[in-house]
Amino acid sequence: DAKTTQPPSMDCAEGRAANLPCNHSTISGNEYVYWYRQIHSQGPQYIIHGLKNNETNEMASLIITEDRKSSTLILPHATLRDTAVYYCIVRGNMDSNYQLIWGAGTKLIIKP
Amino acid sequence: ETGVTQSPTHLIKTRGQQVTLRCSSQSGHNTVSWYQQALGQGPQFIFQYYREEENGRGNFPPRFSGLQFPNYSSELNVNALELDDSALYLCASSLETYEQYFGPGTRLTVT
Repeated sequence: DAKTTQPPSMDCAEGRAANLPCNHSTISGNEYVYWYRQIHSQGPQYIIHGLKNNETNEMASLIITEDRKSSTLILPHATLRDTAVYYCIVRGNMDSNYQLIWGAGTKLIIKP
Repeated sequence: ETGVTQSPTHLIKTRGQQVTLRCSSQSGHNTVSWYQQALGQGPQFIFQYYREEENGRGNFPPRFSGLQFPNYSSELNVNALELDDSALYLCASSLETYEQYFGPGTRLTVT
């Protein structure tokens, strides 16, 4: 079973920041938080991942709470092309925990 | 840098037949993972190959099998196809156990 909980859907206005929450209260010390997104019927796209520090790349920012039980993915200036299902996944980078276990994700709709 | 490619894009098979799906990994990657995604659901892990050996398997029957070649490309074989095997099959490549990069998928329809 997936170790994360996400809202099933969210709306955001174009040009605004989209903040997608994720709960992972049972995360263990060596597990990372990964975010992927999937635009309709395409392969998932890697966005970002982090362990405990906040991370930023050209696509998004990842904010992880100090207790690591939740995180937020931030798309700073959402565009219509950001409409997709966003998956938050917890996994280790050790040999014994290689697979990605996917939940249902959050369907993010960007509105003009 | 070439991304992950999969072939064919779409495939229609009849129940009981066998199918082979192919995946070329991203340049520099040595690990390939396969996932099955039913309509409206998240992907489910089938298995992973690392340096030509199976490195882990999800809850799929033995009729799902795979191969990885010396150039790190991979095949997924499914025997005795069932209607429930209709899905999007995704291949992801990675360097060791780091972030996985996905191909566009193969849409399999079993009639």
